[in-house]
Amino acid sequence: DVKVTQSSRYLVKRTGEKVFLECVQDMDHENMFWYRQDPGLGLRLIYFSYDVKMKEKGDIPEGYSVSREKKERFSLILESASTNQTSMYLCASSPPGGFQFFGPGTRLTVL
Amino acid sequence: RKEVEQDPGPFNVPEGATVAFNCTYSNSASQSFFWYRQDCRKEPKLLMSVYSSGNEDGRFTAQLNRASQYISLLIRDSKLSDSATYLCVVFSGNTGKLIFGQGTTLQVKP
Repeated sequence: DVKVTQSSRYLVKRTGEKVFLECVQDMDHENMFWYRQDPGLGLRLIYFSYDVKMKEKGDIPEGYSVSREKKERFSLILESASTNQTSMYLCASSPPGGFQFFGPGTRLTVL
Repeated sequence: RKEVEQDPGPFNVPEGATVAFNCTYSNSASQSFFWYRQDCRKEPKLLMSVYSSGNEDGRFTAQLNRASQYISLLIRDSKLSDSATYLCVVFSGNTGKLIFGQGTTLQVKP
């Protein structure tokens, strides 16, 4: 069974903290993605990666960075968390041109 | 204008009803099309791909109209368990990205 896992289901952080969200997939997919989902705004793409050590900005990259040192792992970093980054964060992976499999999501609250 | 547009609903229907959702997309170069289902507080999961010839999976039928740039999903004989948000998703070959609609919420009532 295909699987995308995320390091935490729920996370509470304080303003200014550095936050790491980890995502691991076991399907040997080339492509990995980070989205955030907010009520009324739908899914918005933050960053994506088509290969190890490769990254591309999505639609809302400001305030975020990513790291892909290994094919199966894609990390999202909030350098200095702010309250407007409170959201549901979803990681996904896919083969080239294929549909995406999503992880269970991390609900992040920044106080 | 959003690249993928859906009526957010909610659509409230009784059990056994037939309900249809439409979705329009703006990029004529879009190549692949999908419907995802998302339950409350869960991740989106692929419901079905959408093919030009139309395709059916049990009670679900998806259709694509490239000329008018819209996609539809028809659910027959609605069940309580069909209550969810349905996301229309378009893959653009020239950007290499999936574009998600905001989703249409369906509530099936007893």
